[in-house]
Amino acid sequence: DQQVKQNSPSLSVQEGRISILNCDYTNSMFDYFLWYKKYPAEGPTFLISISSIKDKNEDGRFTVFLNKSAKHLSLHIVPSQPGDSAVYFCAASRNSGNTPLVFGKGTRLSVIA
Amino acid sequence: DTEVTQTPKHLVMGMTNKKSLKCEQHMGHRAMYWYKQKAKKPPELMFVYSYEKLSINESVPSRFSPECPNSSLLNLHLHALQPEDSALYLCASSQADRRADTQYFGPGTRLTVL
Repeated sequence: DQQVKQNSPSLSVQEGRISILNCDYTNSMFDYFLWYKKYPAEGPTFLISISSIKDKNEDGRFTVFLNKSAKHLSLHIVPSQPGDSAVYFCAASRNSGNTPLVFGKGTRLSVIA
Repeated sequence: DTEVTQTPKHLVMGMTNKKSLKCEQHMGHRAMYWYKQKAKKPPELMFVYSYEKLSINESVPSRFSPECPNSSLLNLHLHALQPEDSALYLCASSQADRRADTQYFGPGTRLTVL
């Protein structure tokens, strides 16, 4: 049973436009959420996180929105750049030290120049 | 500095070989993790070390043997692997305190078992 779901395996966006990547979760015990970006043959790079006490966290071009009642989060990238082309993983965990991250299957973002 | 280093970058081994993967971090993190990632799949957790003690083993076969010699180092000893064990092996670390914890990943070791 997949606890973290990224239902779009791929997304194409024009350079300069907004990219919106979506993630849904089923486990109501999750209260800490992260987005990672991954290039081929490299490890995931941490992008941004959000705790369940917030509904929005912003860092430069990246904003994560959390809707707890819908068990849904999204990552907005604006403006999108060709270098943003990668696989984006959503991950979730419970708010205590060293609990395992549960990853979604990832969404491949292609930003077209 | 949020760097986790892993060596080697690539490893090819036969099914009878014994090899080790190494991971190092100098961020003062007290939790370290091994993940396995197959192509087009998310990372799958294998082991968690917390304060140099094994705290989680996700039912990993005994041909994978983790070791944490000190708080900065994490090894994964490999013996009698199967071709299906070929994957990207990722190490990660985090602070391991009571707060929500961000894990930082290394670049991975691409393992091929012949």
